[in-house]
Amino acid sequence: DSGVTQTPKHLITATGQRVTLRCSPRSGDLSVYWYQQSLDQGLQFLIQYYNGEERAKGNILERFSAQQFPDLHSELNLSSLELGDSALYFCASSVGGGSSYGYTFGSGTRLTVV
Amino acid sequence: GQQVMQIPQYQHVQEGEDFTTYCNSSTTLSNIQWYKQRPGGHPVFLIQLVKSGEVKKQNRLTFHYGVSKDSSSLNITATQTTDVGTYFCAGPDRGSTLGRLYFGRGTQLTVWP
Repeated sequence: DSGVTQTPKHLITATGQRVTLRCSPRSGDLSVYWYQQSLDQGLQFLIQYYNGEERAKGNILERFSAQQFPDLHSELNLSSLELGDSALYFCASSVGGGSSYGYTFGSGTRLTVV
Repeated sequence: GQQVMQIPQYQHVQEGEDFTTYCNSSTTLSNIQWYKQRPGGHPVFLIQLVKSGEVKKQNRLTFHYGVSKDSSSLNITATQTTDVGTYFCAGPDRGSTLGRLYFGRGTQLTVWP
């Protein structure tokens, strides 16, 4: 157990639907990162939150949104799902907001869009 | 954005052989990190390198950071079946204080007995 909790572990849904992925960071970590991992694109950065505020944004689609709540847990919302959105979605956390800290990854959510 | 490249993409070795993966960045990095992802698992942080020319060891793993801080390598001596997995290097935005990391595509290591 890495200390980063992601739910659900698996999700199967139809095209056009909306899903919410949840992440609780490791205790004491203030930054939460979302990454998408697919076979053809590798680990792609989506978004970073630090202490409740959005800090950095990657090539996140407009159909995707995220937020970090006061208790520091984060949710990633994916809407109007397409087949190409099928991937592993990882949440990671770190102590600070900069790059000097290693990430602790959660076990991921495997999303399958059918 | 910057690019982080890794070679080789795949490496198959017999148990006991050595293994090396190479990482190159399109820009100078303030630091470089290495992660390992076992099959079906999640990436796990191994180490961070900060100083130019730095060499760090973790048991059979040796990490090098290039003098120009735009390259790195990971060497595993006498591989074991427990070393199986994908090894990623990752670096931050150049000159940025943000925490986002750019990951290489990884080197997938297979070890057969």
